[in-house]
Amino acid sequence: NAGVTQTPKFRILKIGQSMTLQCTQDMNHNYMYWYRQDPGMGLKLIYYSVGAGITDKGEVPNGYNVSRSTTEDFPLRLELAAPSQTSVYFCASSYGSSNTEAFFGQGTRLTVV
Amino acid sequence: AQTVTQSQPEMSVQEAETVTLSCTYDTSESDYYLFWYKQPPSRQMILVIRQEAYKQQNATENRFSVNFQKAAKSFSLKISDSQLGDAAMYFCAYRRAGTASKLTFGTGTRLQVTL
Repeated sequence: NAGVTQTPKFRILKIGQSMTLQCTQDMNHNYMYWYRQDPGMGLKLIYYSVGAGITDKGEVPNGYNVSRSTTEDFPLRLELAAPSQTSVYFCASSYGSSNTEAFFGQGTRLTVV
Repeated sequence: AQTVTQSQPEMSVQEAETVTLSCTYDTSESDYYLFWYKQPPSRQMILVIRQEAYKQQNATENRFSVNFQKAAKSFSLKISDSQLGDAAMYFCAYRRAGTASKLTFGTGTRLQVTL
């Protein structure tokens, strides 16, 4: 059981470039989330999805886009990368009930130079 | 909006001793859930313990226990018999009950375990 898989694990982007962070889960979870973790800070929610075809903004959505065409996949798109997007990105999923555990991927360390 | 505050950026404990990590939160909701997550150097987020707000009994998981004070909006984590493997960042998180509920995290406490 792979859980939540994120790719790539590391990436360096130049200012203005675009990229997609991939996230897939094999637990048939309805809910999926993207967080970013800046040094010395907690995780901040970028976007989330409660099911295929449904996405919504979190706390810090500017500069990002998401899609949810299947239950398994929830890619995060960065358009026109900026140094402020240098961070560690986590994808997570949960079954749906509030008390259920959120499972996290291992994170993607992104540096924009 | 809900907020979660961890006022201890760093804590240190000797092996085999007990340490308590603090967390306070702010919410107007009455039904919610609280979590402690551990993040070792590998970056993996690992659930340590969870607490349902409607339960008065404090949750325990082996060496980990919480002190949940709903009126004070306080949710501290106690680690007993600390081990070297407990060294990590610890995040307190809040999630209100209901659909489309999201986790809100504190800024974390870095725990060092010394010999």
